[in-house]
Amino acid sequence: ETGVTQSPTHLIKTRGQQVTLRCSSQSGHNTVSWYQQALGQGPQFIFQYYREEENGRGNFPPRFSGLQFPNYSSELNVNALELDDSALYLCASSSKGLSSYEQYFGPGTRLTVT
Amino acid sequence: RKEVEQDPGPFNVPEGATVAFNCTYSNSASQSFFWYRQDCRKEPKLLMSVYSSGNEDGRFTAQLNRASQYISLLIRDSKLSDSATYLCVLYNYGQNFVFGPGTRLSVLP
Repeated sequence: ETGVTQSPTHLIKTRGQQVTLRCSSQSGHNTVSWYQQALGQGPQFIFQYYREEENGRGNFPPRFSGLQFPNYSSELNVNALELDDSALYLCASSSKGLSSYEQYFGPGTRLTVT
Repeated sequence: RKEVEQDPGPFNVPEGATVAFNCTYSNSASQSFFWYRQDCRKEPKLLMSVYSSGNEDGRFTAQLNRASQYISLLIRDSKLSDSATYLCVLYNYGQNFVFGPGTRLSVLP
């Protein structure tokens, strides 16, 4: 096991609602990245948080936002949910400053928007 | 052109077969390369990093050709447990990880 945890495991929301997903990073890791994985596709980078600040963002609209806390855990917030937001949301922790850029994923939150 | 492209798959091979996956990338500045494995409805897991000199881990061999912007993964003596989707991943320094769409492998008894 990677030590990266996510909650909740599954979630069903209706269009227009807001959702918050949570991630606890692996011990010793200071960076959290969030990804969206639609069925049959590879994960798509949403954004990354390092030392509580956004440190890079993919091609996602502003209604996708996040936070990182002093203990390096993180939240992903999505406002005004759309049907296309239905996907597996993955967080991955890593540690900047190490020579390795390896990252480790949590089990994901499966979001269904109806 | 997509930043990372992989063989479309799926690959259906018998146990014991050797199978190779190919991946090409468009950003010549990409610095680090990885293969991840993802089981159905599970999270991706790091399989191995890929180095220019090539590297091997048991039945798995990864190769990187920076000049051709090409990465490969070779699996020898396939096992049923190798059935999964294999994701080619690159890291652009100061940016983020970019995942390919994945290639699905089914090893058949």
